[in-house]
Amino acid sequence: DAGVTQSPTHLIKTRGQHVTLRCSPISGHKSVSWYQQVLGQGPQFIFQYYEKEERGRGNFPDRFSARQFPNYSSELNVNALLLGDSALYLCASSREGDYNEQFFGPGTRLTVL
Amino acid sequence: EDKVVQSPLSLVVHEGDTVTLNCSYEVTNFRSLLWYKQEKKAPTFLFMLTSSGIEKKSGRLSSILDKKELFSILNITATQTGDSAVYLCAVEAGRNQFYFGTGTSLTVIP
Repeated sequence: DAGVTQSPTHLIKTRGQHVTLRCSPISGHKSVSWYQQVLGQGPQFIFQYYEKEERGRGNFPDRFSARQFPNYSSELNVNALLLGDSALYLCASSREGDYNEQFFGPGTRLTVL
Repeated sequence: EDKVVQSPLSLVVHEGDTVTLNCSYEVTNFRSLLWYKQEKKAPTFLFMLTSSGIEKKSGRLSSILDKKELFSILNITATQTGDSAVYLCAVEAGRNQFYFGTGTSLTVIP
């Protein structure tokens, strides 16, 4: 089975722009979580979606939003990009409700200039 | 404030050595503690611990949780160069809230 996939792999944007990152979970997984990992730090939790509903939100500004589609894929949107948004954005999926054992995708490396 | 602290931040050992990685936490509504290995990009799941004193083991890796003292250790015996990676500890605090430590960077020298 294919693992969690994310697109794009790399992205370069300038301050003030908007970005959309995409994630496809493992087949059969209904929960998707998003994390931001700044170089040298551990991942920071942004959102968790289950069955198209937001079930958890980390301490991130409203510039960050996400949604989950009927096929359980997900998008993370970031508006008004700041230099500090440069990071690796990781998506993780897990089976219905069993979000403890998460499977991570390869991530999207976002650089904001 | 919920936090997860890992130590040491980095470690360099020779092949065959045994290493112990530490993770301490202060969170409300603790549910579980997880260990991940991160080599290039995607962290890969190692263990999930929910009960104190029960060792989880997978090959040369093992882990145990102490919920009274609020810490966990990850042991790797007979280290190999392929063990070189960043090891992440995460705590699930309340429903749907995950807190990661900064990780321990392990380098195994041949």
